[in-house]
Amino acid sequence: EVQLVESGGGLVQPGGSLKLSCAASGFSFGGSAMHWVRQATGKGLEWVGRIRNRANNYATAYAASVEGRFTISRDDSKNTAYLQMNSLQTGDTAVYYCVTQPNWNVFYWGQGTLVTVSS
Amino acid sequence: DIQMTQSPSSLSASVGDRVTITCRASQGISSYLAWYQQKPGKVPNLLISAASTLQSGVPSRFSGSGSGTDFTLTISSLQPEDVATYYCQRYNSAPFTFGPGTKVDI
Repeated sequence: EVQLVESGGGLVQPGGSLKLSCAASGFSFGGSAMHWVRQATGKGLEWVGRIRNRANNYATAYAASVEGRFTISRDDSKNTAYLQMNSLQTGDTAVYYCVTQPNWNVFYWGQGTLVTVSS
Repeated sequence: DIQMTQSPSSLSASVGDRVTITCRASQGISSYLAWYQQKPGKVPNLLISAASTLQSGVPSRFSGSGSGTDFTLTISSLQPEDVATYYCQRYNSAPFTFGPGTKVDI
């Protein structure tokens, strides 16, 4: 069974930083792309970014709204993906979901972790 | 970047009705389109990928069609448990943009 468990969410002040983790199990983590998606309360889904697998040189891509502030990384030895968030703004307040793409047409989601940016 | 639009933004239908939601991409995305169902307070659930491939465990009343720029999600006979917001998402290339969602009520 595919499991994705996000952690690291919480309350942070504007301008601060936070690092989310996504612990994965039940599938070939090293062969999978990993994404982050967020959803502000009462709003739609927003794709944040993704990191590809080793075969694709761990290529990353980001939404324009977070480019230059957020960084996605992964540690295949720990089956874990990360989302480093810097220069956080109130508009970054959302539930952050970790999503795996083990093959091109399959996506599995974690339960999400809440990030609140507020003074 | 390719933009994704959905119509309608919301709809209300009766149990047993046939419901169709449209998703349009601003440029061609082949068949790299997914549909998600999200119930209030829940994690999005993947219904369909590759525009028309029903995921395991998803009721057969759901179907998807289309390619290129125009796609549809059809619920052949709406059930009370289908009350949710439905999102399309392109995944042909980054950014993997979502549509704004369609809220379905009964």
